[in-house]
Amino acid sequence: AQSVAQPEDQVNVAEGNPLTVKCTYSVSGNPYLFWYVQYPNRGLQFLLKYITGDNLVKGSYGFEAEFNKSQTSFHLKKPSALVSDSALYFCAVRDIATRNRDDKIIFGKGTRLHILP
Amino acid sequence: GAGVSQSPSNKVTEKGKDVELRCDPISGHTALYWYRQSLGQGLEFLIYFQGNSAPDKSGLPSDRFSAERTGGSVSTLTIQRTQQEDSAVYLCASSLLAGLYEQYFGPGTRLTVT
Repeated sequence: AQSVAQPEDQVNVAEGNPLTVKCTYSVSGNPYLFWYVQYPNRGLQFLLKYITGDNLVKGSYGFEAEFNKSQTSFHLKKPSALVSDSALYFCAVRDIATRNRDDKIIFGKGTRLHILP
Repeated sequence: GAGVSQSPSNKVTEKGKDVELRCDPISGHTALYWYRQSLGQGLEFLIYFQGNSAPDKSGLPSDRFSAERTGGSVSTLTIQRTQQEDSAVYLCASSLLAGLYEQYFGPGTRLTVT
């Protein structure tokens, strides 16, 4: 069965510093991986995804994520944090090894990112 | 174009009453999902529709919960005999095809059971 883990409930980073939000996954085959963000009092928004190709994926708002197959990780990163990046971040995975192409995506429990001014 | 819409945005109901929550997905999206999110917490998967396939109901917490998707478009989530623990934000999302494409989320319906 596929699963995704976000080991940190909360991450605090000073404005201007680099940030990392961690995500690890478990699938039987190759994964499709996603990051979503939920700003306060707003809906969930798609940030970026990894399907195949380059391990470093660039997304919205200056975010990027690195797919590491050996470590089964897909950490979200940004070189210089902004206060406006403060939000709830969700990692998600789908296992493309399943023959059922109707398989659903599994979400992590979320990591709350606080950027301190 | 129009995004995913949900109605009502807020619903307050008395314990024991039935409620219906509506989701209008993005036109052309074949996959539709329902999630539940308690205050500031993670997403709890409820049910998922893909095209004309039988829905995946594995996340429904009890038989008081049910959902329909008519004509491959609009979906209604029904909660019968509501309980206080049903209070949450109910989110709907749609995507072009399940698993391959990103999901687009609606603004949610905040349900409060008194």
